[in-house]
Amino acid sequence: EDQVTQSPEALRLQEGESSSLNCSYTVSGLRGLFWYRQDPGKGPEFLFTLYSAGEEKEKERLKATLTKKESFLHITAPKPEDSATYLCAVQGLSSSNTGKLIFGQGTTLQVKP
Amino acid sequence: KAGVTQTPRYLIKTRGQQVTLSCSPISGHRSVSWYQQTPGQGLQFLFEYFSETQRNKGNFPGRFSGRQFSNSRSEMNVSTLELGDSALYLCASSLEASYNSPLHFGNGTRLTVT
Repeated sequence: EDQVTQSPEALRLQEGESSSLNCSYTVSGLRGLFWYRQDPGKGPEFLFTLYSAGEEKEKERLKATLTKKESFLHITAPKPEDSATYLCAVQGLSSSNTGKLIFGQGTTLQVKP
Repeated sequence: KAGVTQTPRYLIKTRGQQVTLSCSPISGHRSVSWYQQTPGQGLQFLFEYFSETQRNKGNFPGRFSGRQFSNSRSEMNVSTLELGDSALYLCASSLEASYNSPLHFGNGTRLTVT
């Protein structure tokens, strides 16, 4: 069964203090791994898609990396506006041509000024 | 370009009633997926429609159903509501039903069942 586990559940950082969020996954043939950001009262906002081990993607202070078993979302010198819940999701071979994603429980990040 | 629009934003219903939620995808997107989000279970896949056909269904009871219209707009229906159906229901659209076409979510409908 496809499964996604994110850690930590919550993370508090001081502004400027870099850190990483972890997403471990078990899937029968990875077609894509997705990172989303969700603000309170809003729907998830798409950040990145990663397809194969070794791949990296960057956007402003965020950098996502992928290995065969996990993905990391590195946050460099975060600002208070980076505070949100970060969700990781995978799409396996069996549902690669559908909208079915398996989501982790998310990591809630709080960045204090 | 307008994003995914879901209506209504909030709903309060009584146990045993039924409810219909609406979703308008991003213009040009033909795939619409629905997810349920709760604090305990997180985001769970309900079903997905592509060109008016259901392509995939999650592990939810038959009380949950949906449909897609020719203009790609979608509705989901929940009959005989239970207290446990209280959740944020999210609709997502994508250009095509493919792993290289990311989902774009609306802001959801918050359903409260009393």
